[in-house]
Amino acid sequence: DARVTQTPRHKVTEMGQEVTMRCQPILGHNTVFWYRQTMMQGLELLAYFRNRAPLDDSGMPKDRFSAEMPDATLATLKIQPSEPRDSAVYFCASGPTLRNAGLNTEAFFGQGTRLTVV
Amino acid sequence: SQQGEEDPQALSIQEGENATMNCSYKTSINNLQWYRQNSGRGLVHLILIRSNEREKHSGRLRVTLDTSKKSSSLLITASRAADTASYFCATVHYGNNRLAFGKGNQVVVIP
Repeated sequence: DARVTQTPRHKVTEMGQEVTMRCQPILGHNTVFWYRQTMMQGLELLAYFRNRAPLDDSGMPKDRFSAEMPDATLATLKIQPSEPRDSAVYFCASGPTLRNAGLNTEAFFGQGTRLTVV
Repeated sequence: SQQGEEDPQALSIQEGENATMNCSYKTSINNLQWYRQNSGRGLVHLILIRSNEREKHSGRLRVTLDTSKKSSSLLITASRAADTASYFCATVHYGNNRLAFGKGNQVVVIP
């Protein structure tokens, strides 16, 4: 059954370490989103891609975060160096998009990566 | 901001009662979507309403959209304990693919 897969599900790391989160979007979906969820800020849009090209990453702290789509089956979100304030649940979502149109169908979410930076 | 803003933030009701949540936004939209999130899980899409639609139903869910007031409401009728979750509205604006979420409503249905 088609679903968005995120790995790892949980990650505990020490401050200063590099963290890489991975997402496998649903096959055929050409729009991919990365979100961060915390109690205080809610769901923040970090970045999104269409056809593997980054459309907007203005929600990401540029000095430490980077998002890429090496191919259509893999999206990555990296934090280097990680800080305690990066502790959150990170969600990836994908959706189909008509050419040159906005997202006019639902987005499918993965189960998230719960990141704890100590 | 293009985000949806839900109101109220938390709602506690008895099983069988109706639950209503509202969402407002600031700029013109292509569509508005409602999602549910159970504790510790990913978000699940509930219903999408396009800017040229005023009302939509799906099972016990009813969504309305008032583009003149830039607001939407989600009604859950005959609530069940299993409806306990957080509910989010999200907006998609013309010309881009951004799916921006509000802060969500926590709904608790007491058996």
